[in-house]
Amino acid sequence: AQSVTQLDSQVPVFEEAPVELRCNYSSSVSVYLFWYVQYPNQGLQLLLKYLSGSTLVKGINGFEAEFNKSQTSFHLRKPSVHISDTAEYFCAVNQRGFKTIFGAGTRLFVKA
Amino acid sequence: NAGVTQTPKFRVLKTGQSMTLLCAQDMNHEYMYWYRQDPGMGLRLIHYSVGEGTTAKGEVPDGYNVSRLKKQNFLLGLESAAPSQTSVYFCASSYVPSGSGGADTQYFGPGTRLTVL
Repeated sequence: AQSVTQLDSQVPVFEEAPVELRCNYSSSVSVYLFWYVQYPNQGLQLLLKYLSGSTLVKGINGFEAEFNKSQTSFHLRKPSVHISDTAEYFCAVNQRGFKTIFGAGTRLFVKA
Repeated sequence: NAGVTQTPKFRVLKTGQSMTLLCAQDMNHEYMYWYRQDPGMGLRLIHYSVGEGTTAKGEVPDGYNVSRLKKQNFLLGLESAAPSQTSVYFCASSYVPSGSGGADTQYFGPGTRLTVL
């Protein structure tokens, strides 16, 4: 069975600092990987996704993630965060089916 | 193009009451999903549908029923609400291109905050 572990429940960071949100998954077969963002009082929206090909995936708002098959990880990074990046971030895995499994989420707090 | 809309946005129920949450999408997506979001647990799939007239159980289906009579609508029903069903409910829809093997970007509604007293 597939599962997703987000290693940090909360990540505080100062504005303009770099940030990494960690995600590990477990699956016995090839998967598709996603990062979604949820701003306060809103639904989730897609940041980026990995389907195949290049292991470095670029998304919206300057975020990128790297797929590491040997470490079964899909960490999200941004070189310089803004106050507006304060949100909850969800890593998700789809094992080529109709159901996507979401991690528990990481709350990113960007401080001035 | 409204995307995915949910009705109502907020609701307070007493234990034992029933209600229906409505989800509508105008993107002609085949697949629709109902999730619940609880603190520290992420999103958990309640039920889903891969097309009009079809539904299937997800991870936490007990206490909920669903119907997909029209392609654009996906209803979630609570027959006898319990305090454990206090949560934020999200509907989502997706389009899975043929040959993609199931890789789907899900589009989410704004959520319904339900409190059961």
